[in-house]
Amino acid sequence: DQQVKQNSPSLSVQEGRISILNCDYTNSMFDYFLWYKKYPAEGPTFLISISSIKDKNEDGRFTVFLNKSAKHLSLHIVPSQPGDSAVYFCAARPATGNQFYFGTGTSLTVIP
Amino acid sequence: NAGVTQTPKFQVLKTGQSMTLQCAQDMNHNSMYWYRQDPGMGLRLIYYSASEGTTDKGEVPNGYNVSRLNKREFSLRLESAAPSQTSVYFCASREYPTNTGELFFGEGSRLTVL
Repeated sequence: DQQVKQNSPSLSVQEGRISILNCDYTNSMFDYFLWYKKYPAEGPTFLISISSIKDKNEDGRFTVFLNKSAKHLSLHIVPSQPGDSAVYFCAARPATGNQFYFGTGTSLTVIP
Repeated sequence: NAGVTQTPKFQVLKTGQSMTLQCAQDMNHNSMYWYRQDPGMGLRLIYYSASEGTTDKGEVPNGYNVSRLNKREFSLRLESAAPSQTSVYFCASREYPTNTGELFFGEGSRLTVL
């Protein structure tokens, strides 16, 4: 049973506009959330994370928002650039435990 | 630094053959992981090792075995490969125990089972 869900398999955005990628989770024990970016034929690379004690974390063009009551997080990329075109995975980890659960990924295409 | 290194990068097997995927990390991380990536399924955890000397099952362990050879190395073995094990396999590592800290991934090993 998928505990982390990304319901949009793909997203297309014009260069310079905002990209919003969404992620939902079902396990209320998750307390640490991450976003990874993956280019074809490469391993996933870490992008940004957020702890459950926060509701927002920013790093340059990337901002992650966490809504614990809705069990929802989102990644905002502003402004979007063609180099951002990749598959984005969200992941979650419970407070106790060493396992990371990943979503199915969203393929982002930024159109020049 | 090489980070997380996986070998081989590509492998073709026939059904019933066995093979071992090797993973080594040079970041002095305690925890290591094996994931598989399949279309529409995302990344699913096969096995992980929280620290040297321990291993635990993940979400999809059936058909696999692992060995934490030492702190640096974590191998994944397929004893009798099946077409359902055709996938891209990723090894990852992480510092543990910490409350935060991300996974660092290797470049992947693409396995095809005919």
